[in-house]
Amino acid sequence: EAQVTQNPRYLITVTGKKLTVTCSQNMNHEYMSWYRQDPGLGLRQIYYSMNVEVTDKGDVPEGYKVSRKEKRNFPLILESPSPNQTSLYFCASSLVQGGSYEQYFGPGTRLTVT
Amino acid sequence: KNQVEQSPQSLIILEGKNCTLQCNYTVSPFSNLRWYKQDTGRGPVSLTIMTFSENTKSNGRYTATLDADTKQSSLHITASQLSDSASYICVVSAKTAGNKLTFGGGTRVLVKP
Repeated sequence: EAQVTQNPRYLITVTGKKLTVTCSQNMNHEYMSWYRQDPGLGLRQIYYSMNVEVTDKGDVPEGYKVSRKEKRNFPLILESPSPNQTSLYFCASSLVQGGSYEQYFGPGTRLTVT
Repeated sequence: KNQVEQSPQSLIILEGKNCTLQCNYTVSPFSNLRWYKQDTGRGPVSLTIMTFSENTKSNGRYTATLDADTKQSSLHITASQLSDSASYICVVSAKTAGNKLTFGGGTRVLVKP
């Protein structure tokens, strides 16, 4: 089944403790992206990747890192999480960026930083 | 600044009734407009994608319209069902490097029996 998977789905952590949220897609998509969703603010892009080893900042990249060593994986790293990073995070992928290609979203990761 | 505004923010409708959601955008240059359905706590799922030349597109009981001149779109839900209870998000893609997506804040729809 074609899908985007994220792990973990739920995470509660403390300020400053490094964490990684994994994202994987099995559709051979070139484009992958991370978003956060907060009440009243909608979805905001954190980072995106056009292909392996090619990443770029989205609208709200501060406090986050990403890497794209393989086509299928695009982990989101929080080196020193803070309470303002408490949010619902979504990974998404599409065949390529641009045009009218479908973007597929993962199931989401609910992160709480205390 | 590219923006996507949706209205209403929320609405309640009775099962079997129709409703229409609105989306106004200022994204330029325009590439395409998408409507997504997002169930609570889940990832958005695409309903329709429309390019500049498309005025209307249907996906089952969902029909989206696009007026590129006035930069407005609507999503019409026909004969609503309880499973239509969700947030509906309008997303506009710009024809620029990276084809950046601009997301609207969504309309939360609650269908009551």
